[in-house]
Amino acid sequence: QLQLQESGPGLVKPSETLSLTCTVSGGSISSSSYYWGWIRQPPGKGLEWIGSIYYSGSTYYNPSLKSRVTISVDTSKNQFSLKLSSVTAADTAVYYCATNPGAYWGQGTLVTVSS
Amino acid sequence: DIVMTQTPLSLSVTPGQPASISCKSSQSLLHSDGKTYLYWYLQKPGQSPQLLIYEVSSRFSGVPDRFSGSGSGTDFTLKISRVEAEDVGVYYCMQGIHLFGPGTKVDIK
Repeated sequence: QLQLQESGPGLVKPSETLSLTCTVSGGSISSSSYYWGWIRQPPGKGLEWIGSIYYSGSTYYNPSLKSRVTISVDTSKNQFSLKLSSVTAADTAVYYCATNPGAYWGQGTLVTVSS
Repeated sequence: DIVMTQTPLSLSVTPGQPASISCKSSQSLLHSDGKTYLYWYLQKPGQSPQLLIYEVSSRFSGVPDRFSGSGSGTDFTLKISRVEAEDVGVYYCMQGIHLFGPGTKVDIK
């Protein structure tokens, strides 16, 4: 059974870059069965897909975030990562990593953007 | 751009009674490969979302058979045949791998 775990700073200053890593266990990130994605949920609000990556490196981003998002994969570490630049308070959210489609999800990590 | 809508946005159900949630897409979700990539998720309070239904009507592993999905093209429905207390939470439909509906909050009367 796949397990995903997000890691990274819980507090990021405005205008800086948010960086998170998702570590996959119980299976290989090189599996062709899934895309690997990032989804976020602002406090009290719904789910927003950020972007996804295939193990080959092909990426797909939410058009509304595309200019600020980079998702990468490190197959040697069985990890994939999210970078979101120029953050503002509006980027405060619980960030989830998950397979796409979402058969498996991490527990989520709250990232607060504040000075 | 495709827009996903859900109705109702909130639903209060008596245990043992059925419930139904509608999800509509502004464009047909029928893919060129013949499949329709419409998913249903449940996010229980304080938890990560969990996959209930994939490709319109297939139940994910371990999902009780009281959950069923149907629909085609632009109109889709999630039905719970007999709501149980553990079914409370927010239900989201999702198009493809990248567009969620706004969510439907389900609670127990």
